[in-house]
Amino acid sequence: AQKVTQAQTEISVVEKEDVTLDCVYETRDTTYYLFWYKQPPSGELVFLIRRNSFDEQNEISGRYSWNFQKSTSSFNFTITASQVVDSAVYFCALSEPDNAGGTSYGKLTFGQGTILTVHP
Amino acid sequence: DGGITQSPKYLFRKEGQNVTLSCEQNLNHDAMYWYRQDPGQGLRLIYYSQIVNDFQKGDIAEGYSVSREKKESFPLTVTSAQKNPTAFYLCASSLTPGWSEKLFFGSGTQLSVL
Repeated sequence: AQKVTQAQTEISVVEKEDVTLDCVYETRDTTYYLFWYKQPPSGELVFLIRRNSFDEQNEISGRYSWNFQKSTSSFNFTITASQVVDSAVYFCALSEPDNAGGTSYGKLTFGQGTILTVHP
Repeated sequence: DGGITQSPKYLFRKEGQNVTLSCEQNLNHDAMYWYRQDPGQGLRLIYYSQIVNDFQKGDIAEGYSVSREKKESFPLTVTSAQKNPTAFYLCASSLTPGWSEKLFFGSGTQLSVL
């Protein structure tokens, strides 16, 4: 069964600090996708990144970077020079094809989320 | 601006009452989803629809019902059979039903029991 673990329930930092949010996943599939979503206080989840299992290149987007390591089944997210606007709940998610049922939707599993608070 | 609109933002349910949560999208997306979020937990899938007039149960469909009569709309009814309905409900959509698709979310409805 697939599983996503975000061991850090809450993280609190002061503005301009770097912070890393951990994500560890379990899957038997060799083909899968990993996602990160941000949920600000307004409630809606906002897509941040999608990575497929065959692309282990790390990615940087402005102050955000992602480290994908298949050897440790981890897909960690780092925010450099954090800002107050980064305060949110961050979710890691794993998506696999539905091999048994044959549907096109597949199976998407979310982690429990990490609450990040950035203090001024 | 394109997006997903959920209403109401807050909803209260009395014992034995059915309530309906609205979800409308103008993104022209084929697929729509309903998720339930409980404090300290990830999102759990209630129902999804890949196309108009078709929908499938997710992981926690008991006590819920949906319809998809129009591409833009995917209302969720929380029935009296749902014994623990207090939660934050999120509607989402994706361009196609594919499992690799990114999701677009509405701003949610907080449902509480009176």
